[in-house]
Amino acid sequence: DVQLVQSGAEVKKPGATVKISCKVSGYTFTDYYMHWVQQAPGKGLEWMGLVDPEDGVTMYAEKFQGRVTIIADKSTDTSYMELSSLRSEDTAVYYCATIYSKEYDAFDIWGQGTMVTVSS
Amino acid sequence: SYDLTQPPSVSVSPGQTASITCSGDKLGDKFACWYQQKPGQSPVLVIYQDNKRPSGIPERFSGSKSGNTATLTISGTQAMDEADYYCQAWDSSTGVFGTGTKVTVL
Repeated sequence: DVQLVQSGAEVKKPGATVKISCKVSGYTFTDYYMHWVQQAPGKGLEWMGLVDPEDGVTMYAEKFQGRVTIIADKSTDTSYMELSSLRSEDTAVYYCATIYSKEYDAFDIWGQGTMVTVSS
Repeated sequence: SYDLTQPPSVSVSPGQTASITCSGDKLGDKFACWYQQKPGQSPVLVIYQDNKRPSGIPERFSGSKSGNTATLTISGTQAMDEADYYCQAWDSSTGVFGTGTKVTVL
């Protein structure tokens, strides 16, 4: 089965950095871009960025540029999303997602989500 | 930045048809897709490339597009279809989600 399994919930203080993992199973990690999506409580989905696991090339949404880093570790088939200078507005569920069926051009595989709470 | 606008909420009676719109500049030149999200769950793709259904998605879900407005239609709506729905498109290789619509089955 194709699966994305994310790390557990995190609680961080303002100004800190959080790093969330997304482990892939059931497909060749380097064959598919990994994307990350933010969802604040009661709010909508917001695309954060992507990484090409083959060569590590990234692309980030303007809103998160400078604070987000997405990497791909080919040795462990795991993608990481690091968000720095955390503030209360970063309290959200973070999802990794991929376009596994390339003809879809849409996210057909999602992780279960990771809740990040930013609180002093 | 590129924006996709959806109505905040749509109400529908069981067995009736629900329609959700998604509008954006030059959306007519892009493909739109739709996701269903139930409380506490990850989104699920229900329509891709404007009007195609992934395997396993019921036939009552359909998509269309006219000009710069995409529409998700749920025919014969069931109680289990109560959820949030998001459209999504690609703008210069970046993903853009719509504002989201809460569908309530009364």
